[in-house]
Amino acid sequence: DAKTTQPTSMDCAEGRAANLPCNHSTISGNEYVYWYRQIHSQGPQYIIHGLKNNETNEMASLIITEDRKSSTLILPHATLRDTAVYYCIVRVANSNSGYALNFGKGTSLLVTP
Amino acid sequence: ETGVTQSPTHLIKTRGQQVTLRCSSQSGHNTVSWYQQALGQGPQFIFQYYREEENGRGNFPPRFSGLQFPNYSSELNVNALELDDSALYLCASSLVGQGGPTEAFFGQGTRLTVV
Repeated sequence: DAKTTQPTSMDCAEGRAANLPCNHSTISGNEYVYWYRQIHSQGPQYIIHGLKNNETNEMASLIITEDRKSSTLILPHATLRDTAVYYCIVRVANSNSGYALNFGKGTSLLVTP
Repeated sequence: ETGVTQSPTHLIKTRGQQVTLRCSSQSGHNTVSWYQQALGQGPQFIFQYYREEENGRGNFPPRFSGLQFPNYSSELNVNALELDDSALYLCASSLVGQGGPTEAFFGQGTRLTVV
């Protein structure tokens, strides 16, 4: 699976949009971009994933560049409960071998009042 | 709530002992994966089970072993515990089918402390 690079930490004011970048310059054509987050002392939580089109769900939006070498996770109106470590993961999602996720170190997002 | 439950939530063991951690997967899921998360680090993939067989393994020694049962629940066994095995152990379940795996849902983890 391709390696990802994320900033170590970011701050965001409550109510503002949080934009979390991720570089995955070695991504292959059949690899998806997944985002998970982990709130302190809890298990990771799935947020969103995409292949090449932008995606949106009730939690966030995922913007993937046309060359697919980078992406941005957008939390449109960050709340204090969005404070967490956010992991960008690239993997093949059409393999029957299952679901090994390479989490890396992620971005620690702090949402401030 | 993800529907994935792990037990126990906390555990203290002595170096050299053996430990068994348990995971009940979300209803309808057929694949279970285990991860180790040391303090301040991201989760590290240990192995996964699909149809009761190990189906992928990370860089962990053989003293880390597991089982998956017909109801898709799973156990993680660690023999000859070392101090560095102290970590949060996470279980994740997903459904693997013709279209590939769904997203993984994680339990809250078991905090293992080896003294």
